[in-house]
Amino acid sequence: GQQVMQIPQYQHVQEGEDFTTYCNSSTTLSNIQWYKQRPGGHPVFLIQLVKSGEVKKQKRLTFQFGEAKKNSSLHITATQTTDVGTYFCAGTHTGGFKTIFGAGTRLFVKA
Amino acid sequence: GAGVSQSPSNKVTEKGKDVELRCDPISGHTALYWYRQRLGQGLEFLIYFQGNSAPDKSGLPSDRFSAERTGESVSTLTIQRTQQEDSAVYLCASSSRTAAKNIQYFGAGTRLSVL
Repeated sequence: GQQVMQIPQYQHVQEGEDFTTYCNSSTTLSNIQWYKQRPGGHPVFLIQLVKSGEVKKQKRLTFQFGEAKKNSSLHITATQTTDVGTYFCAGTHTGGFKTIFGAGTRLFVKA
Repeated sequence: GAGVSQSPSNKVTEKGKDVELRCDPISGHTALYWYRQRLGQGLEFLIYFQGNSAPDKSGLPSDRFSAERTGESVSTLTIQRTQQEDSAVYLCASSSRTAAKNIQYFGAGTRLSVL
């Protein structure tokens, strides 16, 4: 079936280091979304990308959508302890309506 | 309501009992998803409702799991003859196909503990 693959599964960083998580689909996506789940919380929507090659920024977070609309990345510059949590990508395959979540990347930040 | 509401927030039950979990989506949202999240794990898709279309039940792990939704309103997830491996947080999310297309808004979840 249609899947959205996400790597890495988890990452440990020292505060101030950068962090990147990657999302990949075998088929084109009409859009890609990113969510953050804090420990003990529920996933919260961060951003949606819909255009080929789109890049969006939210403060220290940079989101990219690939030219072929099959992959995406989330990059955090100079991580802080408040960035701790699990980051999920979620994609809607072209022609479909259901949004499919990646497995998530769990970020640990050491002060 | 203003957001997705789930009840109960916590449920403790004995092995073999049936449980019913409720999700009240954002008004006007045609799509509704149920997920299971075990401790430290990702989101496991269970079922997807989209308007009056037949639901996508491809994620239900066994025939002990079922879900219903009437129109675009409340949904209930029922687990029959609960097992210890059913212990998890059950999350519900709703989304709209028009405004803010496909963005999922999650409830706070129901934490199910099967003793």
